Amino acid sequence: DADVTQTPRNRITKTGKRIMLECSQTKGHDRMYWYRQDPGLGLRLIYYSFDVKDINKGEISDGYSVSRQAQAKFSLSLESAIPNQTALYFCATSNTGSGTGELFFGEGSRLTVL
Amino acid sequence: AQSVTQLDSQVPVFEEAPVELRCNYSSSVSVYLFWYVQYPNQGLQLLLKYLSGSTLVKGINGFEAEFNKSQTSFHLRKPSVHISDTAEYFCAVMLSGSARQLTFGSGTQLTVLP
Repeated sequence: DADVTQTPRNRITKTGKRIMLECSQTKGHDRMYWYRQDPGLGLRLIYYSFDVKDINKGEISDGYSVSRQAQAKFSLSLESAIPNQTALYFCATSNTGSGTGELFFGEGSRLTVL
Repeated sequence: AQSVTQLDSQVPVFEEAPVELRCNYSSSVSVYLFWYVQYPNQGLQLLLKYLSGSTLVKGINGFEAEFNKSQTSFHLRKPSVHISDTAEYFCAVMLSGSARQLTFGSGTQLTVLP
């Protein structure tokens, strides 16, 4: 089983719909992140959380919100989806105690907004 | 703020040939440097990282990278590539001692031809 699990893996939705992408991890890491990947742009940070009570905006947080329900769970919401939010979304984790900042990624959630 | 530039968006190379994927960064303070690989339909996984010490870093699958502080570069190399190395490669930078946010480059698609 994957250490970082994202659901759904693929989702097609319509403009204006509310969408939630979920991420759960079994690595015991305290830090969790949401990135989006667009062709030619690499990965851009949407939100990150260093523990359950800590939520921080990343580079491109507009139009998104997050919830850290537990140390192992971090969900990303699009309150009213728009076509330019069509992208591949990745959840990642890291461990403060590792000292290296290495990220561990889920397999991605492909979202298409029509 | 730090930034990362990957100079080549696509690199085609024949099997068993050497390859170099270029990465330059900008930062006014010391950094940690990473290379991640993304195989088709998968998340990113760490290839190698430079934190401190020897400037030549060896990673998985025969890849290595050299940190050059004067040229602010961290180029990835492999002396002989295989078909299975076909993937997208991302360079990333993190400010050492920072809140540990990774900034990614735009990626380089390596295609190994038979």
